[in-house]
Amino acid sequence: DAGVTQSPTHLIKTRGQQVTLRCSPKSGHDTVSWYQQALGQGPQFIFQYYEEEERQRGNFPDRFSGHQFPNYSSELNVNALLLGDSALYLCAAAASSTDTQYFGPGTRLTVL
Amino acid sequence: AQKITQTQPGMFVQEKEAVTLDCTYDTSDQSYGLFWYKQPSSGEMIFLIYQGSYDEQNATEGRYSLNFQKARKSANLVISASQLGDSAMYFCAMRDASSGTYKYIFGTGTRLKVLA
Repeated sequence: DAGVTQSPTHLIKTRGQQVTLRCSPKSGHDTVSWYQQALGQGPQFIFQYYEEEERQRGNFPDRFSGHQFPNYSSELNVNALLLGDSALYLCAAAASSTDTQYFGPGTRLTVL
Repeated sequence: AQKITQTQPGMFVQEKEAVTLDCTYDTSDQSYGLFWYKQPSSGEMIFLIYQGSYDEQNATEGRYSLNFQKARKSANLVISASQLGDSAMYFCAMRDASSGTYKYIFGTGTRLKVLA
């Protein structure tokens, strides 16, 4: 059991709206990353949070932003939604002393 | 730039047989990690196995083993005694261990179908 929870499971939005996705890692996992997985593709790295700061960012526009809370949980915010933002959004967590990330079940976002 | 290549979009295997899923990688880093994840239709990425670039022995986890050939830059996943529940997408991924980040580069995946 990876112990990573994500909410909501599914979400439907319309173009131009804003969305917030949530992730809670299991105890001891202090590093959280977000990935976007379009249909038929591998996950693409969005950004990583550690100690409440964004540590690295992938090739995503500023419409994608995030936050990490003192309890290590995290949010992903996407503004001005586009049809192309429709994807499975995966949260991954790791203990900073280890190599392996564990993924949550994902949030499936549909933008109409 | 780092890259992962999975050349098999789909594979079939008979139940109880072994199957090898191919993965080649490209990196100029000396310290890196290689991972395999299983993604059932539900969407969750399930960690299967990890190989560090300095590990001299191939990693094994139950029915999963990673055939690591560093000179050829390949990290193939071997599943022994396939089960119907092994039917899923399988992704190979790489992490630049020296950077201290958890940015994984994923391949495009291989869809495995186990036949009864």
